[in-house]
Amino acid sequence: EIVLTQSPATLSLSPGERATLSCRASQSVTTKLAWYQQKPGQAPRLLIYDASTRATGIPARFSGTGSGTDFTLTISSLEPEDFAVYYCQHRANWPLTFGGGTKVEIK
Amino acid sequence: EVQLLESGGGLVQPGGSLRLSCAASGFTFGTYTMNWVRQAPGKGLEWVSSIIGDVDATWYADSVKGRFTISRDYSKNTLYLQLDSLRAEDTAIYYCVKTIVPQQAYFDSWGQGTLVTVSS
Repeated sequence: EIVLTQSPATLSLSPGERATLSCRASQSVTTKLAWYQQKPGQAPRLLIYDASTRATGIPARFSGTGSGTDFTLTISSLEPEDFAVYYCQHRANWPLTFGGGTKVEIK
Repeated sequence: EVQLLESGGGLVQPGGSLRLSCAASGFTFGTYTMNWVRQAPGKGLEWVSSIIGDVDATWYADSVKGRFTISRDYSKNTLYLQLDSLRAEDTAIYYCVKTIVPQQAYFDSWGQGTLVTVSS
């Protein structure tokens, strides 16, 4: 099983600041990695897939980079609606796994 | 518009069973890999099971293997998850999820979730 480790667990930032979230895989997933956003009481929303492709309707301030074992989700300038929990997920093999999540909170 | 509507959750005693259903519409149901993802209260996301479109190959998380069974009814556009031998740690919201393209396990459409509570 591929373990995905996200860091930091919590990120405290102000609106307008840049957010950098990390996801590290225990073995290579090539670029078979996605990022999701989840707000309280809501189902997750797909942001990024194949490490760097934005899903339909996702604003350009969200970007993903990385390959192999190290991945980054960057939010270039935080909007009030971006404060949420973010998860990474791989599809390199079975079983699929998610990271533990990073909470982006208002400072 | 893709719609996924789960039902069947509820309170069940340890060792009991439940069957979750997910009524799907707005896409070619039989072509897509369909999935169940769960989230325990206050915890992160956990992939549970997938069934591959057209071929009906199935995959399970180790935590549920041998206890849960995923299936689909093509005529009813409905996904199922049979939950047997339930444990307290199975308590979670169970989401029915569609993949972004038929054979790529990225989750682009999610239902609203159905809550399963395992408690005596």
